[in-house]
Amino acid sequence: KNQVEQSPQSLIILEGKNCTLQCNYTVSPFSNLRWYKQDTGRGPVSLTIMTFSENTKSNGRYTATLDADTKQSSLHITASQLSDSASYICVAHTNAGKSTFGDGTTLTVKP
Amino acid sequence: DTEVTQTPKHLVMGMTNKKSLKCEQHMGHRAMYWYKQKAKKPPELMFVYSYEKLSINESVPSRFSPECPNSSLLNLHLHALQPEDSALYLCASSQFQGASGNTIYFGEGSWLTVV
Repeated sequence: KNQVEQSPQSLIILEGKNCTLQCNYTVSPFSNLRWYKQDTGRGPVSLTIMTFSENTKSNGRYTATLDADTKQSSLHITASQLSDSASYICVAHTNAGKSTFGDGTTLTVKP
Repeated sequence: DTEVTQTPKHLVMGMTNKKSLKCEQHMGHRAMYWYKQKAKKPPELMFVYSYEKLSINESVPSRFSPECPNSSLLNLHLHALQPEDSALYLCASSQFQGASGNTIYFGEGSWLTVV
């Protein structure tokens, strides 16, 4: 059964600090993994897409890593801002276009 | 700003009403999706259209009826819904279905309340 597990479920950090969100996936046949940011009441916005051959990808202050052997991914946020407060969702995709969503990590950045 | 446009943003309907949600994209994408999202839960895939043909139906009840009139438009027709169908309905599109490295763009969603 395809599964995506994210941790922690929620996280509170102070503005300016760094944090790392984790994603473990079991999806077959694996095609790619994406991280999305979803603000409350809005649609998800894609942050990164990684295929099995990519280890690291950056998008501004967001850096995603992927270890296809251990089936783990992480999203590192550097120098957090208040606007980073959102839900971060990890999604693993198969070659057939089926997607499995994690439950998300709710990040709160406090001043 | 998102390039997938959904209307209406909010909809309240009775259980006997018939209404529709609309989605539009002009990025030339050939895959379009409907997702349902309940509060504090991830989106759940409902339907996928590829080249205007229904490709995936995730065993969605028939009171939800999708329609893809052309490559830019995707509708979701609603009839005889239940209060538990109240949720955020997200439309999304991508260049192709299933292609590796293929970004999926989500709309802002339509908030549906069934009374």
